[in-house]
Amino acid sequence: SQQGEEDPQALSIQEGENATMNCSYKTSINNLQWYRQNSGRGLVHLILIRSNEREKHSGRLRVTLDTSKKSSSLLITASRAADTASYFCATDNQAGTALIFGKGTTLSVSS
Amino acid sequence: NAGVTQTPKFQVLKTGQSMTLQCAQDMNHEYMSWYRQDPGMGLRLIHYSVGAGITDQGEVPNGYNVSRSTTEDFPLRLLSAAPSQTSVYFCASSYSNSGTGGSPLHFGNGTRLTVT
Repeated sequence: SQQGEEDPQALSIQEGENATMNCSYKTSINNLQWYRQNSGRGLVHLILIRSNEREKHSGRLRVTLDTSKKSSSLLITASRAADTASYFCATDNQAGTALIFGKGTTLSVSS
Repeated sequence: NAGVTQTPKFQVLKTGQSMTLQCAQDMNHEYMSWYRQDPGMGLRLIHYSVGAGITDQGEVPNGYNVSRSTTEDFPLRLLSAAPSQTSVYFCASSYSNSGTGGSPLHFGNGTRLTVT
C-alpha cells in the first residue's frame, strides 16, 4: 500500500531555478528518506530526516518535515541539467521491515 | 566495492518459463529486498530478508520465490513467468538487521524483464 505520495508528478524548469517537490504520507513515521533515480539506473539515497528534525541540508538539497501535516518537501537550489531525474520519498512501514516508496516526481531541467 | 550487483541486465522470457534474477552485495549488509517498478505504480516490494535464512513477503509476492542462504546473495525466482511480470526489478540492501531501521537502501541498477 502506498504511504508517500509526491507532488507534482512532473516538473519542468530552467537551469539555475529552484525545484520544490512535496511528499505527503498517511501514518506516523520515525523517519523519511528521499531518493533520486536517473533514467535506466537504480535509486540513489539523497537524504534521511528523522521525525524529531524539522529541516536538513545536504549541499544544494534542503529537506523539511512537518509531522503535524504529515508532509515533507525537497528543495533543490540552483538546478542543473544533471539534476534531471525522478525523485522519490520513502517511509518505513509500520513494522519497520521495509521502505514504502511514493510514485515519484519527474524533474526535467533544461539548459 | 561493487555495491549491489544484479544480473542479467535484460531478459526476455516466454510465458510459463522460469528463471532466477541474481543479486549480490559486498557490503556485508544484513537486510536485502526486491522491488518491481512499473510505470505509474512506483516501486512495490516483492520480498525481503533481514538476514541469512530469514525471508518474508512484501506487497506483491505472488509468482515469486526467494531464499537467503548467504549474507551476500538474494536471488529472486520467477516460477512460471506471466506477461504481468514484465517489469524492471531492483534489488536493494541496507546494513540494518531489524528491517530498514532508518538505514538508507543501496540499489542495484535493475533487471529489465519482458515476458511475451
